[in-house]
Amino acid sequence: DQQVKQNSPSLSVQEGRISILNCDYTNSMFDYFLWYKKYPAEGPTFLISISSIKDKNEDGRFTVFLNKSAKHLSLHIVPSQPGDSAVYFCAASDSGGYQKVTFGTGTKLQVIP
Amino acid sequence: DTGVSQNPRHKITKRGQNVTFRCDPISEHNRLYWYRQTLGQGPEFLTYFQNEAQLEKSRLLSDRFSAERPKGSFSTLEIQRTEQGDSAMYLCASSQTWGGDNSPLHFGNGTRLTVT
Repeated sequence: DQQVKQNSPSLSVQEGRISILNCDYTNSMFDYFLWYKKYPAEGPTFLISISSIKDKNEDGRFTVFLNKSAKHLSLHIVPSQPGDSAVYFCAASDSGGYQKVTFGTGTKLQVIP
Repeated sequence: DTGVSQNPRHKITKRGQNVTFRCDPISEHNRLYWYRQTLGQGPEFLTYFQNEAQLEKSRLLSDRFSAERPKGSFSTLEIQRTEQGDSAMYLCASSQTWGGDNSPLHFGNGTRLTVT
């Protein structure tokens, strides 16, 4: 039972354009959502998070949007840079904490120079 | 901040053998987590510790798996009688809690296990 779903396994975007990565979840108890970025041969690195009491959180070029009614979140990267090429994991947790973070299957982003 | 350190980076073992992995978290972090990642999947939660107490174990963690964090610092994950299905990347992460808040998980680079 995949509680966090990333239906696009890969995405290619031209440098300078916007990258939009999508994520859906099924568990209504999730109240904290995170995005992690992973380069080959490295562990995931935290990127940005959002609490369920918000619908948007922004950090530099990265913005996460949360639509609770649709159980959907998205990560926008503007402008996209070649160094953003990586696998992006959507993740979620309940109880406002990080005790047991549930990850999606990831989306591989390629930013083309 | 030296980051989360995991050893070894790679381990190849024969089916039926026991293996042990080590994780050294970020020194001031009181929580330590073990995750497993297989090809094409995201990391899956296995277990976590707050200081030396193991607070939760996933149903993925069969009786052949045991994790310890004896002094609330480093942790070990042991797999007994390995099976080919145990082949995966084993990721360790740590975080700091203060009051009711938690920091995001900081992951190590993982130990890749191959069972032949």
